[in-house]
Amino acid sequence: DSGVTQTPKHLITATGQRVTLRCSPRSGDLSVYWYQQSLDQGLQFLIQYYNGEERAKGNILERFSAQQFPDLHSELNLSSLELGDSALYFCASSVAGAGGNNEQFFGPGTRLTVL
Amino acid sequence: GDSVTQMEGPVTLSEEAFLTINCTYTATGYPSLFWYVQYPGEGLQLLLKATKADDKGSNKGFEATYRKETTSFHLEKGSVQVSDSAVYFCALTEYGQNFVFGPGTRLSVLP
Repeated sequence: DSGVTQTPKHLITATGQRVTLRCSPRSGDLSVYWYQQSLDQGLQFLIQYYNGEERAKGNILERFSAQQFPDLHSELNLSSLELGDSALYFCASSVAGAGGNNEQFFGPGTRLTVL
Repeated sequence: GDSVTQMEGPVTLSEEAFLTINCTYTATGYPSLFWYVQYPGEGLQLLLKATKADDKGSNKGFEATYRKETTSFHLEKGSVQVSDSAVYFCALTEYGQNFVFGPGTRLSVLP
């Protein structure tokens, strides 16, 4: 158990809908990262927050947004969902916002299925 | 931009066989390098890491050496077990923020 929790574990929804994925980092970790893992694209970095502020942005679509709250939990919002958004969404956390030794701890993931 | 290339899988080995999974990278600076493992139905776990050239990361019998001259970080284990069956990801980060992962290599170890 990494100490990172994600809810829900599974989510099934329809095209055009909006969903929110939630992540609670390990106790003491200030950074939260979001990743999308799909069969054809592999593991893609979406976005990083550090202590409530956006720190780095990867391949995140404009239909997606995220935020980190004062209690350090984070939410990833996916809107106008398309079939291609079906994937595993992982959250990871780390103590620091940067640095080569910045080890990430991954949650168990949320499996999103868009029908 | 930065990228990571891994050998295509799946890799199927018999128990106690020697394992090598190749990883090469492209980066503009001096990245830190990682190997993560993903067991079925779980998230990724850090297996080992190296933060500078010639560093050797090791854990649970796995090893990888940061080779700057060949931009490689190959994963090795002398004797694999059935419990090592998983997907292995090579990854890098230059500043500890934007992590770039390879496509993953699925390993199956047969008894």
